[in-house]
This record gives sequence, structure tokens and C-alpha cells, in this order.
Amino acid sequence: QKEVEQDPGPLSVPEGAIVSLNCTYSNSAFQYFMWYRQYSRKGPELLMYTYSSGNKEDGRFTAQVDKSSKYISLFIRDSQPSDSATYLCAMSRTGNQFYFGTGTSLTVIP
Amino acid sequence: DAGVIQSPRHEVTEMGQEVTLRCKPISGHNSLFWYRQTMMRGLELLIYFNNNVPIDDSGMPEDRFSAKMPNASFSTLKIQPSEPRDSAVYFCASLQDSGANVLTFGAGSRLTVL
Repeated sequence: QKEVEQDPGPLSVPEGAIVSLNCTYSNSAFQYFMWYRQYSRKGPELLMYTYSSGNKEDGRFTAQVDKSSKYISLFIRDSQPSDSATYLCAMSRTGNQFYFGTGTSLTVIP
Repeated sequence: DAGVIQSPRHEVTEMGQEVTLRCKPISGHNSLFWYRQTMMRGLELLIYFNNNVPIDDSGMPEDRFSAKMPNASFSTLKIQPSEPRDSAVYFCASLQDSGANVLTFGAGSRLTVL
């Protein structure tokens, strides 16, 4: 079983829709949960991170962590064409071991 | 801060040639990582350094790959000899141990080996 599982999509939604991106994980020791956005031919850009459990909101983006279910989500409200990208989840324990999902490709159609 | 800086952004070379990729981490970040990204395998960790010392190189594919970090502001990833299957995007990332445990990535070096 992979440490982190992420549905690769692709996901296609109309502009203005609410988008839900998800990852599951197997290691209960993970403490940091990150979402990266990667535009085509660019490097992954840190979008949000959460330490331990709970929710974090930043503008149109909300990150949720459910440690009991080993499940994390990223919600995008009022999605825009500029949100079209690949979204990678990542997790780590303390220390320098990071585990990445394979990424979900999102297209927001104007 | 200029972020993590990588060069070259694109490299096209012929099989058998030596390739050197370069990375300058964010100032003050004391851990540096080299990743390779392909469509098939996603992001794979090749090696990471802490305080300029290689800590985990278990992801380095084979002896053709080597990495160095001579000082806190510079690292290289070398492939010699290069092969077509090395074609990928190579990312450098850094973090500060005393800060949040999250990585900051560079823009990547896209390598094509013909």
C-alpha cells in the first residue's frame, strides 16, 4: 500500500463550481499536511499547509485534515480558469521525509 | 527572497554526455532536496542534504548519478553518462529545519536526453 493515495483525475468543472480534492494516507504519524499547485511546466508551489488536524482557510481555499479517517481535502470555492493546474498533496512527520500524492489534474472551464 | 534558483531551465543533450544541474537554496534553509518528476512515476526523491551533508541518497538511481553540496548556498546533481531514460524534470527544494516542515521548490530543470 502506498503511503499517500490521490485520485489522478482528470477533473473538469465549470467556472464558479466548488472543487473538492482529496488524499488518503496510511501512516498515522504524519503531522504536516501540504497542498501544492503545479502549473504546466512550472515547479510545485506551496498553496497551504496544516499542522496536525483541523481546518485552515485562505481566501477561496480551505484545507481540511481528518486524522481519524486519515483523509485530507482541499476545497476551492468559486473556481476560476486560473485554478487550472495539477494539485499535489504531501505529508511529513517531523524530520525530512516527505510523501507526495501523484497529483490531480484540474481544468476549470470558462 | 528570490526563492530556490535552478539552472539550466532546459537542457537537451545526447546519450553519453555529462549533465550538470545546479541549485541555489533559499538563504537560511539548511536542508536541500533533489527530486525527479516524470508522468509515469510522479515526484521521486533522489537525495537530500542537511547542513551540506548527504543524509539519504537511497533514491539515486545508480552510480551514474552523483550530487554534491560544497556549501550552504550551492548544490549540483550530475549525470554521467546520461541515458534517454534520464529524461525528466529535476526539481530542487529546500526547507529550514527550525521553521514549518514544508518544502519550497525551484522552477525545475527539464532534461531531454536524445
